[in-house]
Amino acid sequence: GQQLNQSPQSMFIQEGEDVSMNCTSSSIFNTWLWYKQDPGEGPVLLIALYKAGELTSNGRLTAQFGITRKDSFLNISASIPSDVGIYFCAGQGGANSKLTFGKGITLSVRP
Amino acid sequence: KAGVTQTPRYLIKTRGQQVTLSCSPISGHRSVSWYQQTPGQGLQFLFEYFSETQRNKGNFPGRFSGRQFSNSRSEMNVSTLELGDSALYLCASSPDSYTGELFFGEGSRLTVL
Repeated sequence: GQQLNQSPQSMFIQEGEDVSMNCTSSSIFNTWLWYKQDPGEGPVLLIALYKAGELTSNGRLTAQFGITRKDSFLNISASIPSDVGIYFCAGQGGANSKLTFGKGITLSVRP
Repeated sequence: KAGVTQTPRYLIKTRGQQVTLSCSPISGHRSVSWYQQTPGQGLQFLFEYFSETQRNKGNFPGRFSGRQFSNSRSEMNVSTLELGDSALYLCASSPDSYTGELFFGEGSRLTVL
């Protein structure tokens, strides 16, 4: 079945640093999404991408939909302590099809 | 606008029992999806309901079932619980599932002893 690969499982950065995460797949997706989960909460949508090559920003977050439609990356600039959490990528193959999630990357930010 | 509400938030069951979890979507949302989250496997898709019909289904055994009511509220049931069913069960709603943009509840934490 479809799988999304996110690695490493954990990342540790210093406050103020930039961090990049990528997500790869052996399958093509028509939509890529990035979610963040805070401890004790459900995931929250950060950015949605609908077109190959699309680059979208949301505050300090920037994400891109890869040209091959098999990958996406998320960049967080000038990290702050509240960026701590689990970041999931998700792909959707077509309209009304299920989302496939990566296993997530746990981000820790040292003050 | 109220968010997605899941009940109960925490529950403990023993092997062999069955459990029912409830999800109230955001008002106006017709699609409800369920996910199982475990530390090793991330978010695993269980099923999605739209207008009371199961539209998508994941690769879980038949012990996992769900339904959606006419008011879009949804329930999922797990019968004959196993230790491996211990997980956070997340419900997510969306106006439809066309875009993949989901609004998640806080989850129901199930522990099977």
